[in-house]
Amino acid sequence: AQSVSQHNHHVILSEAASLELGCNYSYGGTVNLFWYVQYPGQHLQLLLKYFSGDPLVKGIKGFEAEFIKSKFSFNLRKPSVQWSDTAEYFCAVNAPDTGRRALTFGSGTRLQVQP
Amino acid sequence: AAGVIQSPRHLIKEKRETATLKCYPIPRHDTVYWYQQGPGQDPQFLISFYEKMQSDKGSIPDRFSAQQFSDYHSELNMSSLELGDSALYFCASSLQGPAEKLFFGSGTQLSVL
Repeated sequence: AQSVSQHNHHVILSEAASLELGCNYSYGGTVNLFWYVQYPGQHLQLLLKYFSGDPLVKGIKGFEAEFIKSKFSFNLRKPSVQWSDTAEYFCAVNAPDTGRRALTFGSGTRLQVQP
Repeated sequence: AAGVIQSPRHLIKEKRETATLKCYPIPRHDTVYWYQQGPGQDPQFLISFYEKMQSDKGSIPDRFSAQQFSDYHSELNMSSLELGDSALYFCASSLQGPAEKLFFGSGTQLSVL
């Protein structure tokens, strides 16, 4: 079964700082990769996803992520964070060749951006 | 645009009571997923349905059951509630295909006292 690790549990940044959140997964087959964001008091929203093709994926709100297959990683980046980016970020994976489409989530990273 | 609707938004129950949570997917979506998110925890997959049939099962307790109806809405039935069942329960819907994207509801906050 696949699993997802997010090593940064809590990140505190100042506005305009650059962001990189780590995500590693464990599964040797084909994977679909996702980043979700959960703003305080709201439901999960999709930031970006990778299915195939260009390993550098651009999402909403200036976020991007790079799939590095050799490292089993899908790190999320943003060049300059804003106070409104304060939220919890979840990396998720599913393995389509297993027939299981449900997502497996990481434990999340809480991002706090200070003005 | 229509989104995933969940009801109720908040629910307070006592131990050993039962609860029913409802999820109305986006029109024409054929798949519904249920997730449980405990306080400060990541979402845990419970169960999913595709075309009214159970398609996958995760860490759903035996005390819980779910189904998807002919109009594609889904209900999560929870019996013999325990304090540890207090969590945010949210569902997501999608349309199967190569570019599947999940849309999440706002969730039902269940508090078991």
